[in-house]
Amino acid sequence: AQSVTQLDSHVSVSEGTPVLLRCNYSSSYSPSLFWYVQHPNKGLQLLLKYTSAATLVKGINGFEAEFKKSETSFHLTKPSAHMSDAAEYFCVVSDPGNTPLVFGKGTRLSVIA
Amino acid sequence: KAGVTQTPRYLIKTRGQQVTLSCSPISGHRSVSWYQQTPGQGLQFLFEYFSETQRNKGNFPGRFSGRQFSNSRSEMNVSTLELGDSALYLCASSLDGGQDTQYFGPGTRLTVL
Repeated sequence: AQSVTQLDSHVSVSEGTPVLLRCNYSSSYSPSLFWYVQHPNKGLQLLLKYTSAATLVKGINGFEAEFKKSETSFHLTKPSAHMSDAAEYFCVVSDPGNTPLVFGKGTRLSVIA
Repeated sequence: KAGVTQTPRYLIKTRGQQVTLSCSPISGHRSVSWYQQTPGQGLQFLFEYFSETQRNKGNFPGRFSGRQFSNSRSEMNVSTLELGDSALYLCASSLDGGQDTQYFGPGTRLTVL
């Protein structure tokens, strides 16, 4: 069965510095991987999706993630943090077929002015 | 295209009551999934409906049930409410489920007193 581990429950960065949110996954198949963001009292918004077309995936708002099969990782990065990036971020894995999404526990990103 | 809508946005109930939540998917989407989000357990999959049939079910008691109508709108029902059912309930729709991208609604915040 697939699983996801987000290695940090909370990450704090200064505005203008790089962001790194770490995610490791476990899957027996060729998974799809997603990053979603959730701002307070809001639903989840898709940041980006990996589907094996390219290992480096570019998303919205300057975020990108790199799929590394050898490391079973799918870390999310952004070169320069903005105050509006402060939110909860979820790494999600989906195996082929009609199987439910599996969510990581989330990483709360704080951005300090 | 309009996004996923959920009604009501907020609910307050007392223990023992029952509640029905509604979700309208994006036009053309046939799959609707429901999730429960709590601070302690994170995001947990409840069930998925596709073309009016329950296709997947998470590990929740039978008090949690759902259905999907011919227009793909979905409802979930929780009977005999318990304090622990207090949560944000999120609905997500996708074209055909599986590894398709899921688009989330804003959620219904249920408080059980």
